[in-house]
Amino acid sequence: AQKVTQAQTEISVVEKEDVTLDCVYETRDTTYYLFWYKQPPSGELVFLIRRNSFDEQNEISGRYSWNFQKSTSSFNFTITASQVVDSAVYFCALSEAPYNQGGKLIFGQGTELSVKP
Amino acid sequence: DAGVTQSPTHLIKTRGQQVTLRCSPKSGHDTVSWYQQALGQGPQFIFQYYEEEERQRGNFPDRFSGHQFPNYSSELNVNALLLGDSALYLCASSLYWGNTDTQYFGPGTRLTVL
Repeated sequence: AQKVTQAQTEISVVEKEDVTLDCVYETRDTTYYLFWYKQPPSGELVFLIRRNSFDEQNEISGRYSWNFQKSTSSFNFTITASQVVDSAVYFCALSEAPYNQGGKLIFGQGTELSVKP
Repeated sequence: DAGVTQSPTHLIKTRGQQVTLRCSPKSGHDTVSWYQQALGQGPQFIFQYYEEEERQRGNFPDRFSGHQFPNYSSELNVNALLLGDSALYLCASSLYWGNTDTQYFGPGTRLTVL
């Protein structure tokens, strides 16, 4: 069965600190997609990043970066120089086939990030 | 570019009642998925609609049903409401045959069942 685990329930940092959110996934599929979404207090899930299973190249986008390692089934997300506006719940998600047809997303439990001034 | 919209924002019902939630997909999208998010939990997939048909379904009882209209908008219906149906209901849209399966979410409808 497919599963996403976010072991960190809550993280609290001071502004300008770097913070890494952990995500471990389980799947028997060889092709899959991984996502990070942000949910601010307003409730709307905001898409942040998407990665497919055959591209392990890690990238940086502004203050966001991610580390995808198939060998350990991990897809960690890092915010550099955190800001108060980054405070939100962050969800890691795994897309189940059919991938190119908006397959259902399997979400982790979420990590609540609190950035204090 | 209009994003995903949902209505109403909040809803209060009593046990046994029926409720209808509405969703309009992002401009250019043709697929709508519904998720239920209980307090403190990650969203759980309910079902997905494309071409006015239910294409995938999660582990939810038949009390949960849906519909998609020719303009791609969608409704989620829940019958015989239970206290446990209290949650944030999220709608997500995507493009069925697109190059990406990224789903974009609306602001949600918060349902409270008393």
